[in-house]
Amino acid sequence: ETGVTQTPRHLVMGMTNKKSLKCEQHLGHNAMYWYKQSAKKPLELMFVYSLEERVENNSVPSRFSPECPNSSHLFLHLHTLQPEDSALYLCASSQGRWSRGGTEAFFGQGTRLTVV
Amino acid sequence: LAKTTQPISMDSYEGQEVNITCSHNNIATNDYITWYQQFPSQGPRFIIQGYKTKVTNEVASLFIPADRKSSTLSLPRVSLSDTAVYYCLVGGGKLIFGQGTELSVKP
Repeated sequence: ETGVTQTPRHLVMGMTNKKSLKCEQHLGHNAMYWYKQSAKKPLELMFVYSLEERVENNSVPSRFSPECPNSSHLFLHLHTLQPEDSALYLCASSQGRWSRGGTEAFFGQGTRLTVV
Repeated sequence: LAKTTQPISMDSYEGQEVNITCSHNNIATNDYITWYQQFPSQGPRFIIQGYKTKVTNEVASLFIPADRKSSTLSLPRVSLSDTAVYYCLVGGGKLIFGQGTELSVKP
């Protein structure tokens, strides 16, 4: 238990569906992150929120839409995904100014997404 | 952001000490060095962090030379459960992960 909870743990969706991934942290952190990890590949940083403001968006397709309503919750809204979007989606949180060194991040267990 | 270079894979046997070196030639003055461990289908887990010289905790040691252009994660007496991917990160909270080092511990 890392203090970062992701739901659901597994999700199968069709290419025309709309779904949302949820991340919740109870650590009092002020920065939250979304990562994508495809099979046998490193983590790809998708979005970073600091103090509920998006501070990083790594050229992610618009079919992925993040939302950070407060510092404890982070969502990733999904629509019209492609099969190549199937991956493990990981959420993380950290404390302190996101741009400084010395940041320890805590990760959730991830959502295994399969697009059919 | 400083780019990091690690070996893609390493093999070891139970009970041995494992040293994984990471190169980060363009490290900035205020950058910290952080190592994470990741098991399959799980999120990475923080192992250790340092700025210079040596840091030790209950899990590992981190050696950083004076020029800080590299760092070495040392895992004492590894076991089968240490089989995982190890990532070296340099810099702030952007948390950019490289390819990592896949460590395989054999009986």
